Amino acid sequence: DIQMTQSPSTLSASVGDRVTITCRASQSISSWLAWYQQKPGKAPKLLIYKASSLESGVPSRFSGSGSGTEFTLTISSLQPDDFATYYCQQYNSYPVTFGGGAKVEIK
Amino acid sequence: QVQLVQSGAEVKKPGSSVKVSCKASGGTFSSYAISWVRQAPGQGLEWMGGIIPVFGSINYAQKFQGRVTITADKSTGTAYMELSRLRSEDTAVYYCARDPHEGLSWFDPWGQGTLVTVSS
Repeated sequence: DIQMTQSPSTLSASVGDRVTITCRASQSISSWLAWYQQKPGKAPKLLIYKASSLESGVPSRFSGSGSGTEFTLTISSLQPDDFATYYCQQYNSYPVTFGGGAKVEIK
Repeated sequence: QVQLVQSGAEVKKPGSSVKVSCKASGGTFSSYAISWVRQAPGQGLEWMGGIIPVFGSINYAQKFQGRVTITADKSTGTAYMELSRLRSEDTAVYYCARDPHEGLSWFDPWGQGTLVTVSS
């Protein structure tokens, strides 16, 4: 199975900050990576697919980059609605696997 | 705009089985795949398996092989996930999610989740 490792697991930031979350795959997954945002008690919401493609309706302050084994999710200017947990997911091969999550907290 | 609506919360005894449903409203999922993902309290996301209804093909995560059965009824646009031999560690929110391609893709949209509590 492909292991997905996210860092940091928790991040404290302020509104307006630039935030970067890293996701590393245990083997190359090309660009077959998605990012999700999850708020407490809610289902995950798709933000980014194919490593850098922004899902329709997602604010442009979210961006994704990377290929192979290293990927990043960047929030250019953190907004109050962005405090949540973020997960990466690889879909290069079965079984589909997720990273452990990165919680963005208010500083 | 397809929405996935799941069945309600369940409380089960250890050793029993649970069957969760996921109905596509506002469209159909027969051209796409449906996966099941679970999330234990305070934990991350774990893929259990998925089905491509139009082909009837199914993939399961090895961890759940032999305990999980995923099916789909194309006529009603409903997918099902049945988990047997329940134990306390199976207490989790179970989500269905649509894979917009025929397997191995991202997930969008997701159902609202079904809390399954396993307790004696």
